[in-house]
Order: sequence, then C-alpha cells, then structure tokens
Amino acid sequence: GIQVEQSPPDLILQEGANSTLRCNFSDSVNNLQWFHQNPWGQLINLFYIPSGTKQNGRLSATTVATERYSLLYISSSQTTDSGVYFCAVEYPQGAQKLVFGQGTRLTINP
Amino acid sequence: EADIYQTPRYLVIGTGKKITLECSQTMGHDKMYWYQQDPGMELHLIHYSYGVNSTEKGDLSSESTVSRIRTEHFPLTLESARPSHTSQYLCASSSQGITLHFGNGTRLTVT
Repeated sequence: GIQVEQSPPDLILQEGANSTLRCNFSDSVNNLQWFHQNPWGQLINLFYIPSGTKQNGRLSATTVATERYSLLYISSSQTTDSGVYFCAVEYPQGAQKLVFGQGTRLTINP
Repeated sequence: EADIYQTPRYLVIGTGKKITLECSQTMGHDKMYWYQQDPGMELHLIHYSYGVNSTEKGDLSSESTVSRIRTEHFPLTLESARPSHTSQYLCASSSQGITLHFGNGTRLTVT
C-alpha cells in the first residue's frame, strides 16, 4: 500500500511565527487533502489540493504531484492554530477513500 | 457547510454489551465512512459505503458492522464490546471529489 509520511511529528512555536508542514507520499495520487483536528477532536477540511497552490487567509498549501509531496504553510500563527494537522490521499486511485498520514502536532504558545 | 451528526458524543460501557454508534448527514452525500482513531494517532478506515445497500470493509480490520438502509444514516454496531474497542470513532461523508466532512466523533470506553 501507499506510505504517507508527515514531518515534523511535533512543532512548538510562539504566537506570530510561521511554519511549514510537509507530507510525502510513496505513489502517484490524484486527490490530496489537508485537515486540522482541534484539541476537542473535531476534524476540519482545510484544502483539497491534488496539485498546484491554494491559499485561504493565513494558510496556504502547495502540492507537487510529480515529486510526491505537499506542503502546508501557516503564517502569523495564533493559539487557535494549535492541534494536529493531517494530510490524506486517495488510494488506490479512484477508490474514493482516503489514507491518512500520522499527523503533525502543532502547539502555538502565547 | 456540511452537517453530519454523531451520537453519543461519549460512551462508557461494560464488556460484552452491544452498542450502536449513530451517524447521520443532511447533505444527501452518497459516500459515507467510519474511521477509528486512538488519541493523538492517525485515522484508520474501518468501513465505507458508496450508497444505499452498499457497504465495504476498510483497511483496518474491525469486529464492528455497518448498514446503509437510508442515504442519510450510517450506523456502526459492535455486538459484544471489549476493552480493545476503546477508541474514538469518526464518521464522515462526501459527495464529488471525496472532500470529507467529519462529525464530532464518539469517544468509546469499554470497561
């Protein structure tokens, strides 16, 4: 099966800092999504980004499908950005189900 | 905005009991999913459905069963709960492009 690896596993930053989270995947995919799980366990879809770059406020994401990685950028971090960030890919292609990485736990201190 | 509801939010139950975790969505999504997640860990797909009367087992083997009699409803049942079933269970739904929308989850503890 496909391997979805996220780095770093943990990241601790001060409020206002910028961060980059990485997701590597071991096979070709045509569907990649980023999620944020808040400290209460709620999962929110951030981006559907099989390729290219998207931005939503302070968050942006870039997927380079040919090189099998995706990056999530968070600028001017706020304490509410804390939680676990997951990337997930559709695998096998066309199977209409997602395989999740192990997540990056982000802690933003005031 | 997708609306997907899971009940109960928390459940503590004794070994051997039968339980059903409820999941309902109001968006008319064809596809629904159950994921299992231990605290702070990745999500593992245990069941999914492409539509009414369609159910498939996911990548992680599970002793639970599911049914899809109505589009909006996708309950998960454990016939005999065990402590190894203690986990968080997350329900999700999607339409085109499988952009997943998750419920708040059910935190199950089996004593």
